[in-house]
Amino acid sequence: NAGVTQTPKFQVLKTGQSMTLQCAQDMNHNSMYWYRQDPGMGLRLIYYSASEGTTDKGEVPNGYNVSRLNKREFSLRLESAAPSQTSVYFCASSEGQLEVHEQFFGPGTRLTVL
Amino acid sequence: GDSVTQMEGPVTLSEEAFLTINCTYTATGYPSLFWYVQYPGEGLQLLLKATKADDKGSNKGFEATYRKETTSFHLEKGSVQVSDSAVYFCARNPSGAGSYQLTFGKGTKLSVIP
Repeated sequence: NAGVTQTPKFQVLKTGQSMTLQCAQDMNHNSMYWYRQDPGMGLRLIYYSASEGTTDKGEVPNGYNVSRLNKREFSLRLESAAPSQTSVYFCASSEGQLEVHEQFFGPGTRLTVL
Repeated sequence: GDSVTQMEGPVTLSEEAFLTINCTYTATGYPSLFWYVQYPGEGLQLLLKATKADDKGSNKGFEATYRKETTSFHLEKGSVQVSDSAVYFCARNPSGAGSYQLTFGKGTKLSVIP
């Protein structure tokens, strides 16, 4: 099993450009998440999808949109990138039906917006 | 709301030193507790977990005991190695029904020097 995969690994954008970050999991998990990680800020939840067909805002959703394409895939879109969106983005998944809610993380996408 | 507080770093230790990273959580509900580790350039990996009071999670020489009376889940290791250099995150699962979001601490960076 590959676990959680993310593409691309690195990306440089100019202000105003758009892009989509892709995430896929092969663990048959119900729930998927997008986080951003910034120095000194820890992990902040952007959006999550508790189950296929549903999405909800997290702590910092402004400037982002998401799509739960199917049970495996959950994408994050930046419609008009801003320098404040320079960050490392992590996708995660969890079974979502158990009490423990253990999450499994992808390797991250390092995004720079100039 | 749910919160997790962990000691701020960075923490620098010599090889074979004893490690403690403090973590406390809000007492809402009866959460499961986790320690995640992030090695440089990688995503987060689950290090250990505990699901009820007095449980001890352990992995790779690390241990943490779920202390309900002090709402703590401190991470310990008796003898650290250079390869343990990483960022460590404490987390709890949600207290609200139907909520799927883990709450993370801000992370503690550990550097182990030979």
